[in-house]
Amino acid sequence: DIVLTQSPDSLAVSLGERATINCKSSQSVLYSFDNKNYLAWYQQKPGQPPRLLIYWASTRVSGVPDRVSGSGSGTDFTLTISSLQAEDVAVYYCQQYFDTPQTFGQGTKVEIK
Amino acid sequence: EVQLLESGGGFVQPGGSLRLSCAASGFTFNSYAMSWVRQAPGMGLEWVSNISGSGGGNSYTDSVKGRFSISRDNSKNTLFLQMNRLRVEDTAVYYCAKEGSGGSYIDSWGHGTLVTVSS
Repeated sequence: DIVLTQSPDSLAVSLGERATINCKSSQSVLYSFDNKNYLAWYQQKPGQPPRLLIYWASTRVSGVPDRVSGSGSGTDFTLTISSLQAEDVAVYYCQQYFDTPQTFGQGTKVEIK
Repeated sequence: EVQLLESGGGFVQPGGSLRLSCAASGFTFNSYAMSWVRQAPGMGLEWVSNISGSGGGNSYTDSVKGRFSISRDNSKNTLFLQMNRLRVEDTAVYYCAKEGSGGSYIDSWGHGTLVTVSS
């Protein structure tokens, strides 16, 4: 199975500052046939289901604020929140859908400093 | 608007069975693969199983193979998960999830149904 390791496990960021979450895959999730990275990012707030933020590593879902962005390729990926807002407090997960079983990272908890 | 409404969760003893259902609306159900994803209390997300739009293909995570069976009734826009020989470690919120177009990212989630396996 592909293992996704997120770092850090948690981070506290001041309002308006940048939050950066990393996701490292145990093998490449870049499919050479279509040159797409099969990686997504989700946000989960307490008591709620996850919400898709980013897919194909960098495609933002409609309605997701443009302060949220995804980058990276192959085995190393980053989710960046450029200016943290109170509503961004949540746990964030990366997911690979390159291979079965689909796997998720362990999650990164983002809090306000 | 996509809506996914799970039902069927509850309390069951180890070795028992449950059947989860997910009523879908707001999209062309038979055009999309569907997944079940679970989350144990206080833990992260774990993909359990998925099924193609036609129902002709499915996959499972290793820990549930031979015990769980995914199916769908496209005439009723409903997804199912039959869970047999349940274990304590199967305790989790089970989310019904719609996969995206062209890839198995999950673009819509239900609110989940809690399955508790305990003696």
